[in-house]
Amino acid sequence: EVQLVESGGGLVKPGGSLRLSCAASGFTFSNAWMSWVRQAPGKGLEWVGRIKSKTDGGTTDYAAPVKGRFTISRDDSKNTLYLQMNSLKTEDTAVYYCTTREVGATSAVDYWGQGTLVTVSS
Amino acid sequence: DIQMTQSPSSLSASVGDRVTITCRASQGISNYLAWYQQKPGKVPKLLIYAASTLQSGVPSRFSGSGSGTDFTLTISSLQPEDVATYYCQKYNSAPQTFGPGTKVDIK
Repeated sequence: EVQLVESGGGLVKPGGSLRLSCAASGFTFSNAWMSWVRQAPGKGLEWVGRIKSKTDGGTTDYAAPVKGRFTISRDDSKNTLYLQMNSLKTEDTAVYYCTTREVGATSAVDYWGQGTLVTVSS
Repeated sequence: DIQMTQSPSSLSASVGDRVTITCRASQGISNYLAWYQQKPGKVPKLLIYAASTLQSGVPSRFSGSGSGTDFTLTISSLQPEDVATYYCQKYNSAPQTFGPGTKVDIK
């Protein structure tokens, strides 16, 4: 059974930092391209960024609102994805989801964690 | 960056009605378009990928069409359990932007 379990959320002051983790199991994590998606309270889904598998270069891409402040990394030996968030702003308050999706020629898999809440407030 | 828009932002329809949601990309994305359903308090669920391919286990009353910049999600006969917000997402390249969502409820 595939599981993605996020942790590390909480209350942080504006300008502060937080690191989220996502523990993966039930699939070959090292082959997966992993993403973070967030959802502010009562708002829509927002793609935050992704990291490719090391086989595909291990590169990262970010949404404009978080570029330069957030860093996505992975530890394939621990099957864990990370999101380092610095210089946090009140508008970063959201539930953060760890996700992976693989679309093939005739099938697709799409997995989401349950999310972890990050609240940025003074 | 490519922007994604959806219309309408919300709709109310009767059980059994045909419902259509439109998603538009500001530039062509071929068929790299997914549709998600999110029920209140739940994690998003993939309904359709590659613009028109139904994800395994999704009821056949859901269908998708389109290519390039214009896409549609159709629910052929709305059911009470379809009350949710629906999002489109481009995935041809980063950023993999979501549309703003369409909230569907029962009249």
